[in-house]
Amino acid sequence: KQEVTQIPAALSVPEGENLVLNCSFTDSAIYNLQWFRQDPGKGLTSLLLIQSSQREQTSGRLNASLDKSSGRSTLYIAASQPGDSATYLCAVRLGPSGTYKYIFGTGTRLKVLA
Amino acid sequence: EPEVTQTPSHQVTQMGQEVILRCVPISNHLYFYWYRQILGQKVEFLVSFYNNEISEKSEIFDDQFSVERPDGSNFTLKIRSTKLEDSAMYFCASSESPRSTDTQYFGPGTRLTVL
Repeated sequence: KQEVTQIPAALSVPEGENLVLNCSFTDSAIYNLQWFRQDPGKGLTSLLLIQSSQREQTSGRLNASLDKSSGRSTLYIAASQPGDSATYLCAVRLGPSGTYKYIFGTGTRLKVLA
Repeated sequence: EPEVTQTPSHQVTQMGQEVILRCVPISNHLYFYWYRQILGQKVEFLVSFYNNEISEKSEIFDDQFSVERPDGSNFTLKIRSTKLEDSAMYFCASSESPRSTDTQYFGPGTRLTVL
């Protein structure tokens, strides 16, 4: 059974710092992995999607990497800003067919201090 | 940018009552999903829906739950007889296809409180 874990559970950094959020999964046979941002009481905003054949994806100050063999993904945030404060979720999808669901991690709650 | 919308944003109901949560997926999307998040816990998959039928459902999605696409734009989740443990944030999502390149876009959620 696929389990997704995120470390750390919470992180507080000063503005401007570069930071790395970690996601690990137990079954390496994933179809893709998505990083989401969740603001308090709000929905999920997709940040980056990495297909199983890819090693990384970049969008602005965000870079996500994927190492399927070790069951890990990292989300790198450069030059953090107070507006980056949110909970970051990673989610993995299994199988190319018949399995549409995402399995989510517990999230990392990020606070960027001004 | 197109977005998934959900109504109501907050629903309060008495235990045993029926509730219907509504979603309007992105217009050209064909695959629809419901997830839920109990306060302080992980987001959990409930069901996926394509071509007017359920594609996949989790063990949470028992006989108390049903989904429907009553017209060309709405996608609904019905809980027949709510329990206290159904209190959660319910998210609707949609995607163009289940291809690995396709993102699932999530709505803002409906907070369901069962008293």
